[in-house]
Amino acid sequence: DQQVKQNSPSLSVQEGRISILNCDYTNSMFDYFLWYKKYPAEGPTFLISISSIKDKNEDGRFTVFLNKSAKHLSLHIVPSQPGDSAVYFCAAGVNSGTYKYIFGTGTRLKVLA
Amino acid sequence: EAQVTQNPRYLITVTGKKLTVTCSQNMNHEYMSWYRQDPGLGLRQIYYSMNVEVTDKGDVPEGYKVSRKEKRNFPLILESPSPNQTSLYFCASSPDRPLSGNTIYFGEGSWLTVV
Repeated sequence: DQQVKQNSPSLSVQEGRISILNCDYTNSMFDYFLWYKKYPAEGPTFLISISSIKDKNEDGRFTVFLNKSAKHLSLHIVPSQPGDSAVYFCAAGVNSGTYKYIFGTGTRLKVLA
Repeated sequence: EAQVTQNPRYLITVTGKKLTVTCSQNMNHEYMSWYRQDPGLGLRQIYYSMNVEVTDKGDVPEGYKVSRKEKRNFPLILESPSPNQTSLYFCASSPDRPLSGNTIYFGEGSWLTVV
């Protein structure tokens, strides 16, 4: 059973527009969430995180929104740039000492110039 | 430069031939882990270690072993590799509990093919 789901395997967006990547989770115990970006032939790199005590966290062009009642988070990239083209993974964890993250399956974002 | 280094980066091996993928980090991190990435399944945790001599199973530990004799090294051992272990493997490290807000650093990945 996939506890963290990214239902869109791919997304194409025009340069300068907003990219919205979605992530749903099923475990209500999750209280910490992260987004990672992965380029081909490279390891994932940390992008942004959010704790369940917040519903929004912003870092430059990247904003993560958390809707706990819907068990849904989203990553907004504004404006999108061609260099943002990558695979994006969301991950969720429980702050109870298990040190385990559950990752989603990833969404491939393509920003068209 | 902060780094997580994995070796080998690419390997084709045969079923049953023991192999080790090494992982080393130069950031004095306590926490290290191994993930595998498969199409449609995302990143799945194999094993993790909270400190020297402390290791625990992740979500998909079957067929793998790890050891943490030194803080900087966390090798992944496949005692008898099988074709279903063909995958892209990532080692990762973090200075503390990843859930405290610290960033997890990933290595560049090791492509392993078992024939």
